[in-house]
Parts: sequence; C-alpha cells; structure tokens
Amino acid sequence: KQEVTQIPAALSVPEGENLVLNCSFTDSAIYNLQWFRQDPGKGLTSLLLIQSSQREQTSGRLNASLDKSSGRSTLYIAASQPGDSATYLCAVSSAIGGSQGNLIFGKGTKLSVKP
Amino acid sequence: KAGVTQTPRYLIKTRGQQVTLSCSPISGHRSVSWYQQTPGQGLQFLFEYFSETQRNKGNFPGRFSGRQFSNSRSEMNVSTLELGDSALYLCASSLDPGIYEQYFGPGTRLTVT
Repeated sequence: KQEVTQIPAALSVPEGENLVLNCSFTDSAIYNLQWFRQDPGKGLTSLLLIQSSQREQTSGRLNASLDKSSGRSTLYIAASQPGDSATYLCAVSSAIGGSQGNLIFGKGTKLSVKP
Repeated sequence: KAGVTQTPRYLIKTRGQQVTLSCSPISGHRSVSWYQQTPGQGLQFLFEYFSETQRNKGNFPGRFSGRQFSNSRSEMNVSTLELGDSALYLCASSLDPGIYEQYFGPGTRLTVT
C-alpha cells in the first residue's frame, strides 16, 4: 500500500530565506508526483508535476526534484515571501493496480513566512 | 480558460438526509476525480470517472456514489448522512491523470448536524 509522508509538518521562516520541503513515498511504482499549495479553506493549486521519468521541474522560484528509486521528492522555494504562506501538499499517482486517477496525498507542510 | 467549478460551495444538512454535489471540469478534460478532506484523515480519494465510466474507487462505504455525464460534468451523492461526513469535498479534472496534472476546484464545504 502506497503511503506518502511529509516532513516537517510545520515550518516558520523569516522572509527571504530559501527553504526545502520534503516528501517521501513507500513504493516507487508511480506515474507522477505533483506538488500543490492550499490556502486556508480553499481548494488546491497545482504547483509542479514531475513525471516518473523526470528528475526535476522548475517554475519561477520553485524547483521540485524526484528520486524515484529512494522514494523521495523535495520542493525548493527560493527567496521566500509572506505570500508563500500556505500548506504545501505532495501527492503521487500510484501505478499499483493501475489506479492512475487516484492521487495519494501526504498530510502536508504548513509554511509560515514572517515579514 | 475557465477552471474547475463546484456547486454548491457550502451546504448544511441533517443526519439521515442525502446530498448531491456537482463538479464541472475544465473544458476538454474527460477525467474527474473526487476527494474528501478532513482535519483528521487529510485528503482521501473517493472515485474517478473517465468518459462516463468509473475507473477506480476508494475505500468508502456504498453510501458514497457518483456519476459522470456525456459532457464530462460529474455529480457525487452521499445518502444517509452521518456526522463524520462533514468535510471539504474536492473534485479534480485532468486530460489523463496518469500523464497530465490534476486541477482542483474550490471545493464544497459540507456540514452535517
């Protein structure tokens, strides 16, 4: 059974700091891994999608890496801003049982960037 | 391009009642997935529809059901509501979830009293 873990559960940093969020998954049989952002009481905003054959993806100040063999992904946020404060969720599309439409989520990292 | 829309946004129901939630995917997307989000369990997969066929179902009781129409719009139904069904229900659409991103709607906040 695929399980996704995110560490740390919460993180507070001063504005301007570079930071790394971690995600690990137990089974390397995945189609892809997706990072999301969720603001309180809102839906999920897709940040980056990494296919299983890729090593990293970049979008603006965000960079996500994937090491499928070790079951790890990291989300790097450069020069953090107060507007980055949100909960960041990692999810894998597991290839177990052919369940492509089933994203398995971690519990998230709640990020607070202080001005 | 319009995003994923969900209606209603908020709903209050009484135990024992039933409820229907609606999701309109991004134009051209044929896959719609539903998720339940609660503080204790986090985000859990309910089911996925692709071209009107349920392809996958999560570990939820039969009180949770869904369907997809020929225009890709989807509905989910919860019968005999329980207090524990109070949650944020999110739907996501994709061209093909095994290859492309899933895009989420704003959710429907269901409160069962």
